[in-house]
Amino acid sequence: NAGVTQTPKFRILKIGQSMTLQCAQDMNHNYMYWYRQDPGMGLKLIYYSVGAGITDKGEVPNGYNVSRSTTEDFPLRLELAAPSQTSVYFCASSRRGLGTEAFFGQGTRLTVV
Amino acid sequence: KNQVEQSPQSLIILEGKNCTLQCNYTVSPFSNLRWYKQDTGRGPVSLTIMTFSENTKSNGRYTATLDADTKQSSLHITASQLSDSASYICVVSSNSGNTPLVFGKGTRLSVIA
Repeated sequence: NAGVTQTPKFRILKIGQSMTLQCAQDMNHNYMYWYRQDPGMGLKLIYYSVGAGITDKGEVPNGYNVSRSTTEDFPLRLELAAPSQTSVYFCASSRRGLGTEAFFGQGTRLTVV
Repeated sequence: KNQVEQSPQSLIILEGKNCTLQCNYTVSPFSNLRWYKQDTGRGPVSLTIMTFSENTKSNGRYTATLDADTKQSSLHITASQLSDSASYICVVSSNSGNTPLVFGKGTRLSVIA
């Protein structure tokens, strides 16, 4: 099992560009999450999903969009990149909800210039 | 405000020595507390979970304690190894609100030979 796979690992965007961060899990988990981790700060929840077709906002959703068309995939979309979105993004999944053990991907380091 | 505070911010110890990392929280209502290990450039990996009724739990050389009355937890690492060098993140789960998971900023541990 690969677990949670994120692509790309690194990306540099110009202000105003768009991109999609890909996330896939092969553990048949219903719950999936997107977090961002800023230097010296704790992880912040951006969006989460409790199953295919269901998504909900987390703590810091502004500037992002998500979709969940399948159990396996949970892409994160940045429409108009801003320098404030420079961060490391982690996708995670869990068998049950928030508070249960989450399995994280390796992260995507995004720089917006 | 729900918060998780970790100390120290960073720590350097010699290989073979023990160390203790601290986590204080104000999250309410409390569901559980989990310690994650995050290697550089990787996603967090769960080490141990503590529920309200548990005082101590071990996972190999890692021992976590929880005092729900004082809202404090500690992670004790015994006979440290070079591979223990990582960030250790305390995460407290609540049963309600838009921030059901509150992440600490982590303690950066460096084990040197």
